[in-house]
Amino acid sequence: ETGVTQTPRHLVMGMTNKKSLKCEQHLGHNAMYWYKQSAKKPLELMFVYNFKEQTENNSVPSRFSPECPNSSHLFLHLHTLQPEDSALYLCASSQDEGNSPLHFGNGTRLTVT
Amino acid sequence: DQQVKQNSPSLSVQEGRISILNCDYTNSMFDYFLWYKKYPAEGPTFLISISSIKDKNEDGRFTVFLNKSAKHLSLHIVPSQPGDSAVYFCAASGVGNQGGKLIFGQGTELSVKP
Repeated sequence: ETGVTQTPRHLVMGMTNKKSLKCEQHLGHNAMYWYKQSAKKPLELMFVYNFKEQTENNSVPSRFSPECPNSSHLFLHLHTLQPEDSALYLCASSQDEGNSPLHFGNGTRLTVT
Repeated sequence: DQQVKQNSPSLSVQEGRISILNCDYTNSMFDYFLWYKKYPAEGPTFLISISSIKDKNEDGRFTVFLNKSAKHLSLHIVPSQPGDSAVYFCAASGVGNQGGKLIFGQGTELSVKP
């Protein structure tokens, strides 16, 4: 399997639930990212990891908790979310954190009820 | 304050004709620009990029033009094909180690009619 794989593709959760999104990249890249896409809005950067170290937290609320155990895997742990957190969550990777294109997964469509 | 803007939410073009998608930016420190294509239920796919030292980059049917003085870039698709129907995002990044911290536009939905 190649590219960037995200699971699950769809997730419905209540506001008191705890769930996790998973991302795996098979491209040998060193940097991984979480982006959020809400309806009719640009993609918003949430977190950046470079060589497993978090290098960017774009003022994301603490109910979103990222984890990067190694350069190939990235998780987004979700806890006590709000309905307005419903969105498409996209994982991406790149060769490094410099000017190299991002490769995106197909995203997880999250609905918070 | 939106630093990257795609002012046309949608564009409809006849098959075989040229599609021109536009993007404006406000930050003069941006030096790397990319276009992504997104089909429904899929993640964005990298299409073409250009650095600020160039004013044109071509890859097959796709050409990106950069006008730094106007802070404007455009994507030309010639000839347009029905399979090009998708949402197109432009993105920009700043000087140095910020390539991954792309700033995206809102997207333009292109529809190519047979």
